[in-house]
Amino acid sequence: AQSVAQPEDQVNVAEGNPLTVKCTYSVSGNPYLFWYVQYPNRGLQFLLKYITGDNLVKGSYGFEAEFNKSQTSFHLKKPSALVSDSALYFCAVRDSTTSGTYKYIFGTGTRLKVLA
Amino acid sequence: DAGVIQSPRHEVTEMGQEVTLRCKPISGHNSLFWYRQTMMRGLELLIYFNNNVPIDDSGMPEDRFSAKMPNASFSTLKIQPSEPRDSAVYFCASSYPYGGSAEAFFGQGTRLTVV
Repeated sequence: AQSVAQPEDQVNVAEGNPLTVKCTYSVSGNPYLFWYVQYPNRGLQFLLKYITGDNLVKGSYGFEAEFNKSQTSFHLKKPSALVSDSALYFCAVRDSTTSGTYKYIFGTGTRLKVLA
Repeated sequence: DAGVIQSPRHEVTEMGQEVTLRCKPISGHNSLFWYRQTMMRGLELLIYFNNNVPIDDSGMPEDRFSAKMPNASFSTLKIQPSEPRDSAVYFCASSYPYGGSAEAFFGQGTRLTVV
């Protein structure tokens, strides 16, 4: 079965500094990987995805993620953090099933705090 | 499209009562997922449907939980009887996982409090 791991419960970064939120995955076959963000009292919002192609994927709000097959990682990055980026971030993988359908497996989430 | 719509947004009920959560997926999506989020257990997949058929309900915690999808535009998650440990935020998500889209879209969630 596919899985993702987010090794950090919380990441603190100063406003204006680059940020990285880590994610590693375990899949059989080609991975479909995703990042979502959750603001307080809101649902999960899709940020970006990797399916195939360039290893550097660009998404919403200036976020990007780097797919690294040899390290089985899909870290979320942003060159310059904003206070408004403070939220809970989830990495996810799409898991194909024997019935030919798909489900999404989420990591435990990383809380990002951007300090002014 | 208005996105995935869940109702109610908040539900407070007494232990032992029946609770029904509702979800309207995005039109054209053929997969629907119910997740539960708690501080202790994070985001758990409870059950998912493909073309209105339940595919995997192994995440449903107990027989008190049941879910239905009578048609492509509506699903319910029912808890009967409810218990305080069921208090959580319940999310519905939908997707059309073919072609280039692949991602799931989430509703705003239903915050359930069982007292």
